[in-house]
Amino acid sequence: GNSVTQMEGPVTLSEEAFLTINCTYTATGYPSLFWYVQYPGEGLQLLLKATKADDKGSNKGFEATYRKETTSFHLEKGSVQVSDSAVYFCALSPSGGNNRLAFGKGNQVVVIP
Amino acid sequence: DSGVTQTPKHLITATGQRVTLRCSPRSGDLSVYWYQQSLDQGLQFLIQYYNGEERAKGNILERFSAQQFPDLHSELNLSSLELGDSALYFCASSESRKQGSGDTQYFGPGTRLTVL
Repeated sequence: GNSVTQMEGPVTLSEEAFLTINCTYTATGYPSLFWYVQYPGEGLQLLLKATKADDKGSNKGFEATYRKETTSFHLEKGSVQVSDSAVYFCALSPSGGNNRLAFGKGNQVVVIP
Repeated sequence: DSGVTQTPKHLITATGQRVTLRCSPRSGDLSVYWYQQSLDQGLQFLIQYYNGEERAKGNILERFSAQQFPDLHSELNLSSLELGDSALYFCASSESRKQGSGDTQYFGPGTRLTVL
């Protein structure tokens, strides 16, 4: 079946540090890939997406590239701010079927001033 | 603001009871999805409706049911509630005019259900 794996555990880093959150997936065909962010007490917001191999999604300084060969969609940001503290979820929507999302477990990111 | 609204924001009830969660999708969106977020299971897809018809079912218990009305709002009904049903329930909507299109889903703020 379709599944998403995110690296274990929270991520704590200092302001202006480089952020990477790993995401790998298992799916047939060419799923669409997403990163959603959840700020404390709020719903999920779409951060970026990519719908085909080698596409790069980007938004608010965050980037992720759809790598079919490694089935990955790692999230990166060059210089994080305290306001980036949130939970980040990687998700996929399978190709050719319904649009239901399969989510990874999420990563809590804490940015310290 | 995603444009998706959910009511109520919080719900506290007792085991064995029945509750109804309500969702209004973004204007123009035909698909509504329900997800459950819990500490142990993470975010899980429950069910999808498209223009009033059930389109896909995920890990939804038989005690749970949903429907989408002609005005496209949706309700999720949870009955015979158990302690383990305590969770955040999210509704999302998308255009989804074509299956497998990778449409962006826009999420509501969620309903936090606490079963005592």
